[in-house]
Amino acid sequence: QSALTQPASVSGSPGQSITISCTGTSSDVGGYNSVSWYQQRPGRAPKVVIYDVVIRPSGVSSRFSGSRSGNTASLTISGLQTEDEGDYYCGSYVDSTTIFGGGTKVTVL
Amino acid sequence: EVQLVQSGAEVKKPGESLKISCKGSGYSFANYWVGWVRQMPGRGLEWMGVIYPGDSDTRYSPSFQGQVTMSVDNSITTAYLHWSSLKASDTALYYCARQYGRNFDAWGEGALVTVSS
Repeated sequence: QSALTQPASVSGSPGQSITISCTGTSSDVGGYNSVSWYQQRPGRAPKVVIYDVVIRPSGVSSRFSGSRSGNTASLTISGLQTEDEGDYYCGSYVDSTTIFGGGTKVTVL
Repeated sequence: EVQLVQSGAEVKKPGESLKISCKGSGYSFANYWVGWVRQMPGRGLEWMGVIYPGDSDTRYSPSFQGQVTMSVDNSITTAYLHWSSLKASDTALYYCARQYGRNFDAWGEGALVTVSS
């Protein structure tokens, strides 16, 4: 299975909204409700911010939301804040295995 | 609180063996898959595989099958990742993580492995 496709970088000004895409196939992203998103701040371990496409874990800001259209899942961060800077990875769980996207670097201008 | 505590940084020579650990606490260790994820310097996350502590069932990524071995010791709620013969290309940060449903909801802090002659 190939890695999921994410843009290398996305940037925005404080207060703006940004969207990160994650493109796979009908055999992974498009076929199962098992897409998750992970935030990795510099020097830190990843942290899940969205799972099962749209569910936000307890304690994660409501500014984070997930969606999917066809074989592309998306993570939207609204009201962008400096603390949102870091790398974001999508993951798709299929048949006991997980595929990660290549990662997207989010920069707050 | 669910916690995964990993062993410390290691510096090894090519050809040496290594086992790193990941101790789980705050939950029923035997009942949740534990995954391992590699992050090479400046690169993204790579799923290596998972192990189910309850019966040691393992699933490896084809990229890592035969290159590493996952194991657990339920008596001390610890998972392990083992290399029998390290290569320079194994230099990376290795994370363990608890799989909850279809995502990884708790992560260790990572263990840096450096392989250099």
